Amino acid sequence: EAGVAQSPRYKIIEKRQSVAFWCNPISGHATLYWYQQILGQGPKLLIQFQNNGVVDDSQLPKDRFSAERLKGVDSTLKIQPAKLEDSAVYLCASSLIKAPGGYTFGSGTRLTVV
Amino acid sequence: GNSVTQMEGPVTLSEEAFLTINCTYTATGYPSLFWYVQYPGEGLQLLLKATKADDKGSNKGFEATYRKETTSFHLEKGSVQVSDSAVYFCALTPFPTGNQFYFGTGTSLTVIP
Repeated sequence: EAGVAQSPRYKIIEKRQSVAFWCNPISGHATLYWYQQILGQGPKLLIQFQNNGVVDDSQLPKDRFSAERLKGVDSTLKIQPAKLEDSAVYLCASSLIKAPGGYTFGSGTRLTVV
Repeated sequence: GNSVTQMEGPVTLSEEAFLTINCTYTATGYPSLFWYVQYPGEGLQLLLKATKADDKGSNKGFEATYRKETTSFHLEKGSVQVSDSAVYFCALTPFPTGNQFYFGTGTSLTVIP
């Protein structure tokens, strides 16, 4: 089966600019996650969708980050405006609803804010 | 709350040496436990998992046993290879009460010939 697709792979922007990341999950996976992985740390959950509804966005900095999942399939994560501390790898993952940790991670988008 | 603590790295071993990477956890309920591996420039890959106490996960020569009494899930391999050089992450999910991952900070392993 095809994996979780993410784009772009790399992005460099200046602080205060906007950026958007795209994710296409595995077909049939109802649950989609966005994680932020800062260099030297483990990934941290930003937001979890089930179909097109938000399950958990308690860790999402809502003053600058937003995410949507149109029609319960693809998802976009946006940062506006970006700060230097947003430099990280943004990982998308998808899973079946009833699969303990049965995730598939995408390769991620590496964001550098200068 | 839920959290994972891993031994700090980096770890450098000679080829064929024995590997242990310590992992302990704090969780509400009965979590599922995982080890993920991240090779340079690549995404996270599931290495092994265990979903209940005393289960042993194994894959590619790596093993870890879910120890509820010590809240641990230490990763071991009897003979490491250069190709095992990567960053290893311990993680838990509080499934079925939730399915998000809580990751440790990662342990970098370098194996030298």
